[in-house]
Amino acid sequence: QVQLKETGPDLVQLTQTLSITCTVSGFSLTTYNVHWVRQPPGKGLEWMGAMWNGGGTDYNSAFKSRLSISRDTSKSQVFLKMNSLQTDDTAKYFCARQSERYPGPPLGYWGQGVMVTVSS
Amino acid sequence: DIQMTQSPASLSASLGETVSIECLASEDIYNNLAWYQQKPGKSPQLLIYYASSLQDGVPSRFSGSGSGTQYSLKINSLESEDAATYFCLQDSEYPWTFGGGTKLELK
Repeated sequence: QVQLKETGPDLVQLTQTLSITCTVSGFSLTTYNVHWVRQPPGKGLEWMGAMWNGGGTDYNSAFKSRLSISRDTSKSQVFLKMNSLQTDDTAKYFCARQSERYPGPPLGYWGQGVMVTVSS
Repeated sequence: DIQMTQSPASLSASLGETVSIECLASEDIYNNLAWYQQKPGKSPQLLIYYASSLQDGVPSRFSGSGSGTQYSLKINSLESEDAATYFCLQDSEYPWTFGGGTKLELK
């Protein structure tokens, strides 16, 4: 069955770099796009970016050049890296899978998320 | 970026009632609108996509409608398990954007 699981640190120091891994199973990264979404505590959802099935990426300009998404298809993993972390980057970070068809479920499968706190 | 204005921000209703939640897009999103339910500490769960298509496994008491810039989610015959926060998502144009959320409380 389709599964996504995020792994990463609980705590990151101010101005440091966040690295999170999304390990997927039940589908191929060369068929499906995988997206990253975050949610600060008690707040709404924010789309961060995506890894396309063809290997390209797209980013929310709100993150300017801080954000990088990559993958290792042999390990079924997608990586998120974001530098220059600030306290307002404290959030739960999710990876989610997009349907391969249109119109189809934009983000039909989600990981459980990883809660990251940025500390000074 | 397309702005999604969701209303109301919170809602209180009784078991068995019918409620509606609205999302207004800042421009035409051509039915590229999804609805999600999220319970505390959990990941969002997809309910509706392409404005009115019911995701597999979602109860038929959930329905979506709308076009252009205005969309709504209707929940018929509220059940206790429907207490949650609901979000809309426009997937018409990048960056995808979410509504601010509606917290549904059951009386």
